Amino acid sequence: GQNIDQPTEMTATEGAIVQINCTYQTSGFNGLFWYQQHAGEAPTFLSYNVLDGLEEKGRFSSFLSRSKGYSYLLLKELQMKDSASYLCAVMDSNYQLIWGAGTKLIIKP
Amino acid sequence: IAGITQAPTSQILAAGRRMTLRCTQDMRHNAMYWYRQDLGLGLRLIHYSNTAGTTGKGEVPDGYSVSRANTDDFPLTLASAVPSQTSVYFCASSGGEGEQFFGPGTRLTVL
Repeated sequence: GQNIDQPTEMTATEGAIVQINCTYQTSGFNGLFWYQQHAGEAPTFLSYNVLDGLEEKGRFSSFLSRSKGYSYLLLKELQMKDSASYLCAVMDSNYQLIWGAGTKLIIKP
Repeated sequence: IAGITQAPTSQILAAGRRMTLRCTQDMRHNAMYWYRQDLGLGLRLIHYSNTAGTTGKGEVPDGYSVSRANTDDFPLTLASAVPSQTSVYFCASSGGEGEQFFGPGTRLTVL
């Protein structure tokens, strides 16, 4: 079967750095996506990795290791507005997205 | 219209009733999707359409049907609603790069 695992909840302090991990087992791989979802809102796109390595976009970076079936999202200089759920999704061999349950990130002042 | 719109925003429905959730996009994306999102579970694909005139079943299609008469519209119909269909429903669309754009969602309660 196909499976995406990520922690259910994490807590971090404003101004700090947090790393949200995602491991996956899917039938095929055509890229990994990270989305942000604020409570009561729709998911919005953050990053896309298809090759191994680190992709940096401002305060957010995403890393991929295809051989390990592993990715992480790194958030730096945390702000209160970063409190949200972060969803990991893998595009499988049918070009469909398989979604993790999401990691709820709580930022404390 | 900018992006994807969904209607209604929320709905309370009696079990056994028929309901259509509407979704319209103005980005001329070929692919469109319907997901449901339940607490503690990831987004689950109900149905999808890779292009106008074609549809496919996702992970949880039972009890739902879709149509794709044109590029812009992708309605989702519950023929006879049941309480287990209480959920938040998201419509999404995608161009060629794989990134999906989501509508604001419809919160549906079936009593």
